[in-house]
Amino acid sequence: ILNVEQSPQSLHVQEGDSTNFTCSFPSSNFYALHWYRWETAKSPEALFVMTLNGDEKKKGRISATLNTKEGYSYLYIKGSQPEDSATYLCAFSGGATNKLIFGTGTLLAVQP
Amino acid sequence: SQTIHQWPATLVQPVGSPLSLECTVEGTSNPNLYWYRQAAGRGLQLLFYSVGIGQISSEVPQNLSASRPQDRQFILSSKKLLLSDSGFYLCAWSVLRAGGGETQYFGPGTRLLVL
Repeated sequence: ILNVEQSPQSLHVQEGDSTNFTCSFPSSNFYALHWYRWETAKSPEALFVMTLNGDEKKKGRISATLNTKEGYSYLYIKGSQPEDSATYLCAFSGGATNKLIFGTGTLLAVQP
Repeated sequence: SQTIHQWPATLVQPVGSPLSLECTVEGTSNPNLYWYRQAAGRGLQLLFYSVGIGQISSEVPQNLSASRPQDRQFILSSKKLLLSDSGFYLCAWSVLRAGGGETQYFGPGTRLLVL
């Protein structure tokens, strides 16, 4: 059974704080690692997809890194804003398949 | 541009009643289609996926079934709902491309409460 784990489960930060969360995934048979942002009452929105060891992706104040050899990815948010409040999901794709295995997410709450 | 629709948005059903949730995609052809469920306190669980009309793969044994009668239509059904079927159901699509790992795009979801 493939397991994708995310930590922490939830995080409360003040506006302006920088923060990061972790996604752990199987290091064997890796194909792609995805990050999604899921705001309340909306659909999950794709942030990044990473395929190569050492990949770094950036979108505004949000960035992500990937280590496929040890099976982890970090998501960083610089200078958190209240609109960053959401659940951040990572999803692992192993082998040549279109199936994604999701972690349980990190719930981020940014207080103004 | 591509859009994905789901309905209904919310549903309250008694135990033992049937279920039909519909998902349609616009602006793309021959997509991969997926049904996910998020139960309370749990992550997104893949229920079914389809790579073409009439082709359905079931990921977990359960009380639900799926059908794809048209290229851009995906239906989730049950003959008799259980309490444990309560949850948030999301439909998603991705480009059908050899190799896999494609980004999936989600619909607005259906919140189902079985009483």
